[in-house]
Amino acid sequence: EAGVAQSPRYKIIEKRQSVAFWCNPISGHATLYWYQQILGQGPKLLIQFQNNGVVDDSQLPKDRFSAERLKGVDSTLKIQPAKLEDSAMYLCASSHTSGRVETQYFGPGTRLLVL
Amino acid sequence: KNQVEQSPQSLIILEGKNCTLQCNYTVSPFSNLRWYKQDTGRGPVSLTIMTFSENTKSNGRYTATLDADTKQSSLHITASQLSDSASYICVVYGGSQGNLIFGKGTKLSVKP
Repeated sequence: EAGVAQSPRYKIIEKRQSVAFWCNPISGHATLYWYQQILGQGPKLLIQFQNNGVVDDSQLPKDRFSAERLKGVDSTLKIQPAKLEDSAMYLCASSHTSGRVETQYFGPGTRLLVL
Repeated sequence: KNQVEQSPQSLIILEGKNCTLQCNYTVSPFSNLRWYKQDTGRGPVSLTIMTFSENTKSNGRYTATLDADTKQSSLHITASQLSDSASYICVVYGGSQGNLIFGKGTKLSVKP
């Protein structure tokens, strides 16, 4: 079974530039998550999709961050304009539910450095 | 407030030794608790998932325990290997809206 794919793996940009990350979840997984993980901390949920609908985007800084999952499969996360404090690992995860347990699988992440 | 606290923040052990990582949570209602291993620069990988009725679960040299009464979990690593060097993240699924609440992780370094 192929895992969650993310690209690019690394990105370096200057502040005020724009950047976009791409995620392809595991086939058949309806739920997709984007997380931001600052070095030394646990992941923080940015947005959760169920198919192509948004379930939770309460912690997404909507003035600069946007995400979409138009066809309910792959997803993009965009930052425009980037700030220094956006430097972090951006993790995508997808999940399926068996019985009452939801199992989440993470992609390798995209490491962003904003200079 | 739903929180997950992990201790210690970091740990250094010698190869071959055992260690135990702790996780305390205040998430209610509780659904399940997961332990993830995250290698540096990589995404987290699931080690165990335990529901309310399970108090121990093993995955190779990793054994997780759960005490739902005291809201504590531990991850015990037996006969550590250099490849165990990673961050170990405790995650609780629960809360009134069914959220995943992440701890900050314990950074484990195994030295030869």
